[in-house]
Amino acid sequence: KNEVEQSPQNLTAQEGEFITINCSYSVGISALHWLQQHPGGGIVSLFMLSSGKKKHGRLIATINIQEKHSSLHITASHPRDSAVYICAARIQGAQKLVFGQGTRLTINP
Amino acid sequence: DTAVSQTPKYLVTQMGNDKSIKCEQNLGHDTMYWYKQDSKKFLKIMFSYNNKELIINETVPNRFSPKSPDKAHLNLHINSLELGDSAVYFCASSLLGGGGLKYGYTFGSGTRLTVV
Repeated sequence: KNEVEQSPQNLTAQEGEFITINCSYSVGISALHWLQQHPGGGIVSLFMLSSGKKKHGRLIATINIQEKHSSLHITASHPRDSAVYICAARIQGAQKLVFGQGTRLTINP
Repeated sequence: DTAVSQTPKYLVTQMGNDKSIKCEQNLGHDTMYWYKQDSKKFLKIMFSYNNKELIINETVPNRFSPKSPDKAHLNLHINSLELGDSAVYFCASSLLGGGGLKYGYTFGSGTRLTVV
């Protein structure tokens, strides 16, 4: 079992829908990262979280340290949000990321 | 003015060859990484250098050898390439400083290696 698990693995929704992607981890972390990988392959860092909640435009990321769980929300989803979203845990005391398997999001117009 | 640049973007080579992938960052970051993304799109750390010092060396065949001539460069050399080495290799950088990770990671656009 992977130390970082994401759900769902695939998600298809209509434009405008509210999207939630979940991430659970089983290790001690110093931070939790959300990344976006576009169909062209490039990876962009969206959020780095160690507690609470962060918002950037239509994207919101939350983390519950006690429950070892994080969520990424997208409000008013748009076809350009279609990408693979990857949760990654930075292991406590180390400088490496352990990645979830990714969630492939498709937003249809 | 690309922040993290990798070359080449695509590399097709025969089994048994030796090849290198280069990475450069102009962000003033002090830590650089190599990640491997397999055919199932799963990312895994391979190596990391902080201020030219190797700090992460995961279980990777010793055919893979990273080299960091300075803080801004991290190259990956692969000897005796095998079919299973086919993957996308991502370089990334971050700023650790003295008090831990300051910001997030910046990734290069990836090098798609195909071994035939």
